[in-house]
Amino acid sequence: DSGVTQTPKHLITATGQRVTLRCSPRSGDLSVYWYQQSLDQGLQFLIQYYNGEERAKGNILERFSAQQFPDLHSELNLSSLELGDSALYFCASSVSRGLDTQYFGPGTRLTVL
Amino acid sequence: AQTVTQSQPEMSVQEAETVTLSCTYDTSESNYYLFWYKQPPSRQMILVIRQEAYKQQNATENRFSVNFQKAAKSFSLKISDSQLGDTAMYFCAFNNNDMRFGAGTRLTVKP
Repeated sequence: DSGVTQTPKHLITATGQRVTLRCSPRSGDLSVYWYQQSLDQGLQFLIQYYNGEERAKGNILERFSAQQFPDLHSELNLSSLELGDSALYFCASSVSRGLDTQYFGPGTRLTVL
Repeated sequence: AQTVTQSQPEMSVQEAETVTLSCTYDTSESNYYLFWYKQPPSRQMILVIRQEAYKQQNATENRFSVNFQKAAKSFSLKISDSQLGDTAMYFCAFNNNDMRFGAGTRLTVKP
């Protein structure tokens, strides 16, 4: 158990809908990262927040957005969902903003029908 | 841009034997971290081992050890006494304030 929690574990929804994925970092960690992993693919970095502020952006679609709250938990919002958005979404956390070890949550499996 | 290359898409090993997974990376930086993560069929991403670039000594964690060759930009993972539970996808990762992952190596341990 890494100490990073993600909810829900599974999410099934329809095209065009909007969902919110939630992540709580390890105690003491200030950075939260979001990754997308499609079936049998590598990890695609989406976005990073550090202590409430956006720090880095990867291949995140405009339909996706994220935020980190004062208690350091983070939410990833996915809107106007398409079939191709079906994937495993991971949250990771680390103590510092960059050169550090990232610990991963169990992931949220999103299925768009 | 930093890149991470895992040249072995798939590998297999007999239970109790030793296997080495390869990883190379490209960077002009001198200070960075390297990692191996394991992703079993449950899809959880599990940290296996970490190596700081400034450390000359190779990291070890029980049956897992690395061969870190900084000049060659090589970071291989050796798994000794392979167990069925080692069956997983293994990702090599590089972090210099910007984490990069390789494409992964699918390892199967055969009984």
